[in-house]
Amino acid sequence: EVQLVESGGDLVKPGGSLRLSCAASGFTLINAWMSWVRQAPGKGLEWIGRVKTKADGGTTDYAAFVKGRFTITRDDSENTLFLQMNSLKSDDTAVYYCTTEAPSVFYYWGQGTLVTVSS
Amino acid sequence: QTVVTQEPSLTVSPGGTVTLTCASSTGAVTSGYYPNWFQQNPGQAPRALIYSTINKHSSTPARFSGSLLGGKAALTLSGVQPEDEAEYYCLLYYDGAWVFGGGTKLTVL
Repeated sequence: EVQLVESGGDLVKPGGSLRLSCAASGFTLINAWMSWVRQAPGKGLEWIGRVKTKADGGTTDYAAFVKGRFTITRDDSENTLFLQMNSLKSDDTAVYYCTTEAPSVFYYWGQGTLVTVSS
Repeated sequence: QTVVTQEPSLTVSPGGTVTLTCASSTGAVTSGYYPNWFQQNPGQAPRALIYSTINKHSSTPARFSGSLLGGKAALTLSGVQPEDEAEYYCLLYYDGAWVFGGGTKLTVL
């Protein structure tokens, strides 16, 4: 059974940093393009960015709002995806989901991890 | 900035048919935007329904179908069930980035 489990969500002060993890099981991460999506409280879904497989260059793409603050990486040996978030703002308060993107097909989703940015 | 627009809310009677649409601020939506559709219930992760305009996942009920309609991506629910009441999101691809629509709250009443 495929599972994605996000972790690392926490309460962080504005300007702070946080690293989220997404542990994959039931499939081999090395073969999967992966994306991060977030959802602010009571709001819609927002695509953050993705990382391709190393076979496809391992490159990343990001939404315009990221503006260099977020970085997506992958550790295929640990079957884990990461989202490093810097210079956090109150607007970044959201549930963060990881999802497979296979390409252009988003099927498996984690249950999300909550990030709260507040002083 | 690219904007993807969905109806904020729609209401349908049980057993009825409803079409949700997804428009792009850049112009007509084509298959090259690889439209995806998702269903989300409160407190849950999104559930994938449709990919690449018309393709259903193995878990997608037969009553859901995707299409292009009048320059928009569309999701049609035929024979709506009470459990279809949920938020629905479309997702479009723009040259290296994906953009979600704002979502449609579907009420079954």
